[in-house]
Amino acid sequence: NAGVMQNPRHLVRRRGQEARLRCSPMKGHSHVYWYRQLPEEGLKFMVYLQKENIIDESGMPKERFSAEFPKEGPSILRIQQVVRGDSAAYFCASSPRSRVASGANVLTFGAGSRLTVL
Amino acid sequence: AQKVTQAQTEISVVEKEDVTLDCVYETRDTTYYLFWYKQPPSGELVFLIRRNSFDEQNEISGRYSWNFQKSTSSFNFTITASQVVDSAVYFCALGNNNAGNMLTFGGGTRLMVKP
Repeated sequence: NAGVMQNPRHLVRRRGQEARLRCSPMKGHSHVYWYRQLPEEGLKFMVYLQKENIIDESGMPKERFSAEFPKEGPSILRIQQVVRGDSAAYFCASSPRSRVASGANVLTFGAGSRLTVL
Repeated sequence: AQKVTQAQTEISVVEKEDVTLDCVYETRDTTYYLFWYKQPPSGELVFLIRRNSFDEQNEISGRYSWNFQKSTSSFNFTITASQVVDSAVYFCALGNNNAGNMLTFGGGTRLMVKP
């Protein structure tokens, strides 16, 4: 029973390029969350998606960042025209349902994708 | 607004010592959830515990124990007889009862256990 799979684990981009980070949730999980961890900091919520829907993107930067979770395939976090400040670890988490009150509702995190912008 | 504060950015102990990691939270919600996650050097996040706001019983799991004090808005984590493998960054996080699992994380405490 594979956990949350993220790839690539490490990605190096030059300023101005695009970065695409992929996340396959745990089997049976239909809710995906993206968090960003800047160096030496805690995780910050970015976006919450269900299949084909963005539920909450209050943590997403207004420009250059987008996320999707299509009907088929992994969730994608896309960063256009990357800048050095985008260098961070991006974590994906999944859960079987939305409300944390549910007994089964602990977020399962992937191992993260570490983006380095040169 | 929710906030989690982990005042200790880094702690260094010698193996077999006990160590307590502090976590103080702020929320206006009456129902909320507190979590601890461990991030070892390999980088992944490992779930340790979830506690809801109406259960103030302390919990023990092997060498790990958690002390939830609603009166002081704290959810501290103690490792007894620390081991080198406990070296990691530990995050405290807060979630509420609204739709979604948008957790608010503290800044983390880096624990170094020396042999």
